[in-house]
Amino acid sequence: QVHLVESGGGVVQPGRSLRLSCAASGFTLSSYGMHWVRQGPGKGLEWVAVISYDGSKKYYADSVKGRFTISRDDSKNTLYLQMNSLRVEDTAVYYCAKDRQEERWSTPFDYWGQGTLVTASS
Amino acid sequence: DIQMTQSPSSLSASVGDRITITCRTSQDISNYLAWYQQKPGKVPKLLIYAASTLQSGVPSRFSGSGSGTDFTLTVTSLQPEDVATYYCQKYNSAPFTFGPGTRVDIK
Repeated sequence: QVHLVESGGGVVQPGRSLRLSCAASGFTLSSYGMHWVRQGPGKGLEWVAVISYDGSKKYYADSVKGRFTISRDDSKNTLYLQMNSLRVEDTAVYYCAKDRQEERWSTPFDYWGQGTLVTASS
Repeated sequence: DIQMTQSPSSLSASVGDRITITCRTSQDISNYLAWYQQKPGKVPKLLIYAASTLQSGVPSRFSGSGSGTDFTLTVTSLQPEDVATYYCQKYNSAPFTFGPGTRVDIK
């Protein structure tokens, strides 16, 4: 049974940092690309970042490039999102999501975590 | 980057109605198009991938079609449990952009 559990969200002042974690179980994390997707209050889904199954490729949305870093620790079955220089507009529920197919780049997301809320506010 | 549009932005239909949602991309993405359903307060769920392949466990009243830049999601007989926002997504390459969403409710 695939399970993704995000943690690390909270209230943070603009300009500060936060690190999100996504604990994965029920599948071999090292075989799948993983993503972060966010959803602002009352808004649609915004793709944020991806890391390939082998960690060799990382891409970011323009809105977070240079401020956010995606990483993974397969030995801990955990995905991370380091968020620096947070802005008010980064306020959102952050979801981690798993690629549907293993060891592929172009594949949709078949499992999502429940999300963790990040609020950037003074 | 490729732009995604969806129409309509919202619709209201009766139980049993056939509804169609359109997704358009600004460049050819072949069939690298997925549809997700997000019910109120819930996590997004994959419905269709490769433009027309139903994800396991998804009711057969859902179907998808299209290729290139024009895609559609059809629900042949709308049910109360289909009240949700539907998003298309391109996944041929990064960024893996989502459409703006179509909100569906029952009349």
